[in-house]
Amino acid sequence: DVKVTQSSRYLVKRTGEKVFLECVQDMDHENMFWYRQDPGLGLRLIYFSYDVKMKEKGDIPEGYSVSREKKERFSLILESASTNQTSMYLCATDPRGNDSPLHFGNGTRLTVT
Amino acid sequence: KNEVEQSPQNLTAQEGEFITINCSYSVGISALHWLQQHPGGGIVSLFMLSSGKKKHGRLIATINIQEKHSSLHITASHPRDSAVYICAVDRGSTLGRLYFGRGTQLTVWP
Repeated sequence: DVKVTQSSRYLVKRTGEKVFLECVQDMDHENMFWYRQDPGLGLRLIYFSYDVKMKEKGDIPEGYSVSREKKERFSLILESASTNQTSMYLCATDPRGNDSPLHFGNGTRLTVT
Repeated sequence: KNEVEQSPQNLTAQEGEFITINCSYSVGISALHWLQQHPGGGIVSLFMLSSGKKKHGRLIATINIQEKHSSLHITASHPRDSAVYICAVDRGSTLGRLYFGRGTQLTVWP
C-alpha cells in the first residue's frame, strides 16, 4: 500500500513565522502535490512537482514556496505565516500515467494566530 | 465558474436509502476520480473512471463522456457512509494535476 506521510497532524504558529510542512511518500511516485482545503472552496492547488527539483505553481502559490530535493519528499514552506493561511493542508502523490489513482496524506491542520 | 460542479452540496438520507451524487464538468478529460473524505481530513480514492461504470461493494460510479457527467451511487446507505464525496477530473496533461469539485457532504442517519 502506498503511504503518504505528513509530518504534523495539527500545527499552531504565530504570524510572521516561517513554517515548514513536510510530506514523504514511500512508492517512488513522480508527481507530488500540495493543496489547501477551506470550507466552501474545496481543494485548491498550491504547488506541484513532477520530478526532483522541478516545481510548478498551482492556482494559489502566493505566500508559499516548495522544495523537492529528493523524490520521496516534498516540502511546503510558508515564508511568513499570516492568519489567512490558517487552513487544512493536504499532500498527494500519483505515479503518473494511466489508471493511476491519487494518494493523499492525512492532512495538517495549520492555525496561524 | 468552476470547471467541475457537484450536486447536491449537502445530502441527508435515512439508513438504507439509495443515494446519488452528481458531477458535471465543462472541459475535456482523460479520467474522472471520486474521492471520499471522512471527518478528520484523510482522503481516500474510491474510483477512477475514463468510461462506463465501476462497482466496488455498495458503491457504483458511472460516467457519460459525451454528456460530461458522472454519478456516484451508494446502495443500502449506512451511517458509516457519512463523509464528504469529491469529484475531480484529469484533463490529460502529463503533469497529472486534477481539478476538483467543491464536494458533497453526505449524512446518513440510523
